[in-house]
Amino acid sequence: GENVEQHPSTLSVQEGDSAVIKCTYSDSASNYFPWYKQELGKGPQLIIDIRSNVGEKKDQRIAVTLNKTAKHFSLHITETQPEDSAVYFCAASMDGTSYGKLTFGQGTILTVHP
Amino acid sequence: DVKVTQSSRYLVKRTGEKVFLECVQDMDHENMFWYRQDPGLGLRLIYFSYDVKMKEKGDIPEGYSVSREKKERFSLILESASTNQTSMYLCASSSPSLRGGGNENIQYFGAGTRLSVL
Repeated sequence: GENVEQHPSTLSVQEGDSAVIKCTYSDSASNYFPWYKQELGKGPQLIIDIRSNVGEKKDQRIAVTLNKTAKHFSLHITETQPEDSAVYFCAASMDGTSYGKLTFGQGTILTVHP
Repeated sequence: DVKVTQSSRYLVKRTGEKVFLECVQDMDHENMFWYRQDPGLGLRLIYFSYDVKMKEKGDIPEGYSVSREKKERFSLILESASTNQTSMYLCASSSPSLRGGGNENIQYFGAGTRLSVL
């Protein structure tokens, strides 16, 4: 089955800096890669996703890049703010199969210091 | 807005007890999932269901069972709770239909149940 590795496990940045979280996946058949953000006391919530036919996707201060050849994808957050502090999870899936099952990475605790 | 509600935020049980964790979603989603979340291990899938009375094992089903008698409700059952089942449990739902959200891969999560087994 699919295996997703996520690094780093913790990330501490100053407000205004950029943050990058990286994930690798094992199954070359995976073609959908979402990122979820979990704030304290809440469940994870989708913040951005990318499909394998696209190399990069942006939404305001967040962006995701995908390298299919190397089987890795990354989340980039620019101009970080204290409200970006949360746990971030990457995931991988084969779109259109397996009832939408996702395989998640281990999570990254991001702390943005004011 | 999709709402996934887990019946308890915190639960304390004793070893050997039978434990029920309940999850209800209000968007008529076909798919429902149970995960456990442990530090450094991410979200691991326990069981999922793609229709009423249908269920499939996830990656870590041992010690758990599930029940889905109605479309909106998915229950996780610990037949005989053990200390190694102390964890955060998250329920999620998704739908392949446009009416339900349009993307089967987008999962909507509840706030979680933190279970302690003593």
